[in-house]
Amino acid sequence: DAGITQSPRYKITETGRQVTLMCHQTWSHSYMFWYRQDLGHGLRLIYYSAAADITDKGEVSDGYVVSRSKTENFPLTLESATRSQTSVYFCASSEYRPQPLFNQPQHFGDGTRLSIL
Amino acid sequence: DAKTTQPTSMDCAEGRAANLPCNHSTISGNEYVYWYRQIHSQGPQYIIHGLKNNETNEMASLIITEDRKSSTLILPHATLRDTAVYYCIVRVKNAGNMLTFGGGTRLMVKP
Repeated sequence: DAGITQSPRYKITETGRQVTLMCHQTWSHSYMFWYRQDLGHGLRLIYYSAAADITDKGEVSDGYVVSRSKTENFPLTLESATRSQTSVYFCASSEYRPQPLFNQPQHFGDGTRLSIL
Repeated sequence: DAKTTQPTSMDCAEGRAANLPCNHSTISGNEYVYWYRQIHSQGPQYIIHGLKNNETNEMASLIITEDRKSSTLILPHATLRDTAVYYCIVRVKNAGNMLTFGGGTRLMVKP
């Protein structure tokens, strides 16, 4: 089915480990995003990408790395996981249209629940 | 960035219209108003967006005041499945197509 899928849905790991969260979309949307959601903070942007090989930092990018070698994939890596990175992670995508610029809605995956012990 | 203010929570009877208000008094002329919702344990879901005209789709209607300082999302016949947190968002102006989610309104639809 077309859409945006995240994997794994649940992950438990230990501090200091590297962990990668996957995101795949079938719409060929130009833009992709990673958010984290924590109680008391709502959704906060980690990284986003306007196209393949173009990425930029969001509000809370420290400790995270992204890549976008293909339009449809946007993996998020925690290079050395810390307990403060325990959260629910959402990936989203949106298409690019020149008019109205930057105003296309985002479509979200169902999230990855990450626990770091 | 234009900030938004929403009530923390609201109740609505099943089958009735749910009217969710949002204040965005500092909105700029070229900023759109978006509404998303998040049902428990799911990712946010896009509902509707608009600039200055009222909008309607299969999910909801969006009423934007003439001065654009506030808007109302209307779910015409709320069902139990509409119980969710509803976010009113004004597009962030800086680079990219980012959205900033505030606290939202927790809508409880009751039988």
